[in-house]
Amino acid sequence: EIVMTQSPATLSVSPGERATLSCWASQSVSSNLAWYQQRPGQVPSLLINDASTRATGVPARFSGSGSGTEFTLTISSLQSEDFAVYYCQHYHNWPHTFGQGTKLEI
Amino acid sequence: QVQLVESGGGVVLPGRSLRLSCAASAFSFSNYGMHWVRQAPGKGLEWLAVIAYDGSIAYYADSVKGRFTVSRDNSKNTLYLQMNSLRAEDTAVYYCGKESGYCGAGGCVPYFSYLDYWGQGALVSVSS
Repeated sequence: EIVMTQSPATLSVSPGERATLSCWASQSVSSNLAWYQQRPGQVPSLLINDASTRATGVPARFSGSGSGTEFTLTISSLQSEDFAVYYCQHYHNWPHTFGQGTKLEI
Repeated sequence: QVQLVESGGGVVLPGRSLRLSCAASAFSFSNYGMHWVRQAPGKGLEWLAVIAYDGSIAYYADSVKGRFTVSRDNSKNTLYLQMNSLRAEDTAVYYCGKESGYCGAGGCVPYFSYLDYWGQGALVSVSS
């Protein structure tokens, strides 16, 4: 089983600032990585797939990068609605494990 | 608009069983793999199970293998999760999710894909 590790667990930033979230895989997942956003009390929603492709309707301030074992989600200028929990998930093989999440707080 | 609606959640005694359903609409259900993911209160997401578009293959997380069974009825556009021998640690919101990759006569392209739509979740509480 591939273990996904996210860092940091909590990131405190101010609106308008840049946020960088990291995700590591215990072995290569190529570019088979997705990022999901979960706002408080809401269902997770797809942000990024294939490591760097924004999902439909996702603002350009969100960008994903990386391949193999190291991945990054960057939010260039934080808006109030971006304060949420972010999860990475690989889909390279079974099981499609999630990272433990990074909580982005004000 | 793709819709996934879970039902069947509730309060259940430890050791008992429960079956969740996920009703799908606005897409060709029989052409997509489907997943179950859960989230314990205040915790992160845990991937549980997947079933192939035609029901021929299923795969489970170790935490539920042997206790949970995923199935589907393509004639009813419905996904199921049969949960047996429930434990307190199974208390969670259970989400169904649709794979993004299309599956047809030639197989699935790509074979592994991400979840592009999620249901609203069903709460299962295992407690005496």
